[in-house]
Amino acid sequence: EAGVAQSPRYKIIEKRQSVAFWCNPISGHATLYWYQQILGQGPKLLIQFQNNGVVDDSQLPKDRFSAERLKGVDSTLKIQPAKLEDSAVYLCASSPRGNPYEKLFFGSGTQLSVL
Amino acid sequence: AQTVTQSQPEMSVQEAETVTLSCTYDTSESDYYLFWYKQPPSRQMILVIRQEAYKQQNATENRFSVNFQKAAKSFSLKISDSQLGDAAMYFCAYRSGGSNYKLTFGKGTLLTVNP
Repeated sequence: EAGVAQSPRYKIIEKRQSVAFWCNPISGHATLYWYQQILGQGPKLLIQFQNNGVVDDSQLPKDRFSAERLKGVDSTLKIQPAKLEDSAVYLCASSPRGNPYEKLFFGSGTQLSVL
Repeated sequence: AQTVTQSQPEMSVQEAETVTLSCTYDTSESDYYLFWYKQPPSRQMILVIRQEAYKQQNATENRFSVNFQKAAKSFSLKISDSQLGDAAMYFCAYRSGGSNYKLTFGKGTLLTVNP
């Protein structure tokens, strides 16, 4: 079974530039999550999709971050413009139905450095 | 809001020995789920073990077991017969059983296994 695919693995940009991350979840998984993991901290949920609808985006800085999940499959997370404090690992995860007891399957993340 | 606290930033254990990682959480809910995830240097988080709050029996998965103390809001992870491959960051996580399924992580404990 293929896992959660993310790209790119690393990205270095200057502040005020734009950047986009891509995620392909496990086939058939209805729920997709984007997490931000700042160095030394646990992952923080940015946005959760159920199919192509947003379930929770309460911690997404909407003035600069946006995310979409087209056709309920792939997803992209965009930052525009980036700030120094956006330097972090961005993790994508998916789960079959979004039930609270479900195991989340994570990708290997994209490490973003904003200079 | 629920919070998860891991009071041990780093722990070390000798190969084949046993180690316990601590986790406490704060919640007013009665229906919830608790998880331990492992994050190796590859960054891909992997579920280690999970516990439903309504179950009194502690969960076990091979060499991994938990000590769930609901009244004390404590959820520690015990790793028996530690192996070199157990070296990683370990994150404790909480998920509500209600309408908000957000998974909240602690800051993590870095486990080193010494040969």
